[in-house]
Amino acid sequence: NAGVMQNPRHLVRRRGQEARLRCSPMKGHSHVYWYRQLPEEGLKFMVYLQKENIIDESGMPKERFSAEFPKEGPSILRIQQVVRGDSAAYFCASSPEFGYGYTFGSGTRLTVV
Amino acid sequence: SQQGEEDPQALSIQEGENATMNCSYKTSINNLQWYRQNSGRGLVHLILIRSNEREKHSGRLRVTLDTSKKSSSLLITASRAADTASYFCATKPWGTSGSRLTFGEGTQLTVNP
Repeated sequence: NAGVMQNPRHLVRRRGQEARLRCSPMKGHSHVYWYRQLPEEGLKFMVYLQKENIIDESGMPKERFSAEFPKEGPSILRIQQVVRGDSAAYFCASSPEFGYGYTFGSGTRLTVV
Repeated sequence: SQQGEEDPQALSIQEGENATMNCSYKTSINNLQWYRQNSGRGLVHLILIRSNEREKHSGRLRVTLDTSKKSSSLLITASRAADTASYFCATKPWGTSGSRLTFGEGTQLTVNP
């Protein structure tokens, strides 16, 4: 069981470009969560998805950010027209439909230059 | 203010000593969890305590929960240099969807050899 896989581990983008972060949940997990961590801070919830559905996006910025979890393939967090303030570590976690089993990936560190 | 606030923000001790970190929260919770994060890495789940539990042990870790005071503590006994990391508490409030967690800002623990 490979755990929660995130890629890329590091991503550098110039201001104005798009960033795509991918997350493959643990086998058997149908729920995906995205969190953002700024330097020296805790994790902030962004969005909670199940297959083909966004359940809770209350932590997502209203503009430029979007997330999806298609029927096939990984969950994608997409940031359009990145700005320096988007530089952070983005963590994905997954959980099964029932029970606990909450597992984090190793994160994607986005740097906007 | 932030749900899940740890104190102290930073703690420096000698190897062999005990380390105690505290966490306060504001809303009613389903459970409270502690995570460790080594510098530049992902989060590792340490222990979960449910709202109807008062104390839990796992190896050198001891967690307490006082729901009347809305607080928890994490005790690491006989600390080792390898325990150097940031420690976060995370709460799952009642009424939130799925397993969405709210994290505190963390305590940076340094264990000196």
